[in-house]
Amino acid sequence: EAGVAQSPRYKIIEKRQSVAFWCNPISGHATLYWYQQILGQGPKLLIQFQNNGVVDDSQLPKDRFSAERLKGVDSTLKIQPAKLEDSAVYLCASSPTPFSGGSTDTQYFGPGTRLTVL
Amino acid sequence: AQRVTQPEKLLSVFKGAPVELKCNYSYSGSPELFWYVQYSRQRLQLLLRHISRESIKGFTADLNKGETSFHLKKPFAQEEDSAMYYCALSGDTGFQKLVFGTGTRLLVSP
Repeated sequence: EAGVAQSPRYKIIEKRQSVAFWCNPISGHATLYWYQQILGQGPKLLIQFQNNGVVDDSQLPKDRFSAERLKGVDSTLKIQPAKLEDSAVYLCASSPTPFSGGSTDTQYFGPGTRLTVL
Repeated sequence: AQRVTQPEKLLSVFKGAPVELKCNYSYSGSPELFWYVQYSRQRLQLLLRHISRESIKGFTADLNKGETSFHLKKPFAQEEDSAMYYCALSGDTGFQKLVFGTGTRLLVSP
């Protein structure tokens, strides 16, 4: 089966510019995650969708970051305007089943988008 | 609050030597613990999870609730084990949110 797809793979922008990332999860996966991974740190969850609804966006800087998942499939993450500290790898992941109180699903990660803000 | 600590940024061993990558966590409920691995130029992927209690690629990890630890072990390291290893925790509330540690780079030399 095809894995999680992300584009672009690399992006360089200047501060105060806008940028958008795209993610296509594994077909049929209900849950989609966006993570931010700053150099030297582990991935940090920004936002989690279950189908096309947001279930956790507690760590999303909502003054500049936004995300949507139209029709419960593809997703886009936007930063507007970007700051220097937004330089990171942005990872998209998906998992098969909606949360139902059972054990945690395996998350399948995309290759990531490396963002450099100058 | 959920927290995962991996105290070593880099662990360097020779081929055939035993390996232990440390992971400690902080969580008041009943967590699920995972090890994710990223090999060079590959995606982050699940290595193992504590509820499976299985050995993957010779690696095992036991959840020690008394010491709040989930150390990853392998008795004889191989060069192909060189990778970045992340310990992660999922709590028993919320929507399967994973909290990751900062990662340990394992380097296995010939």
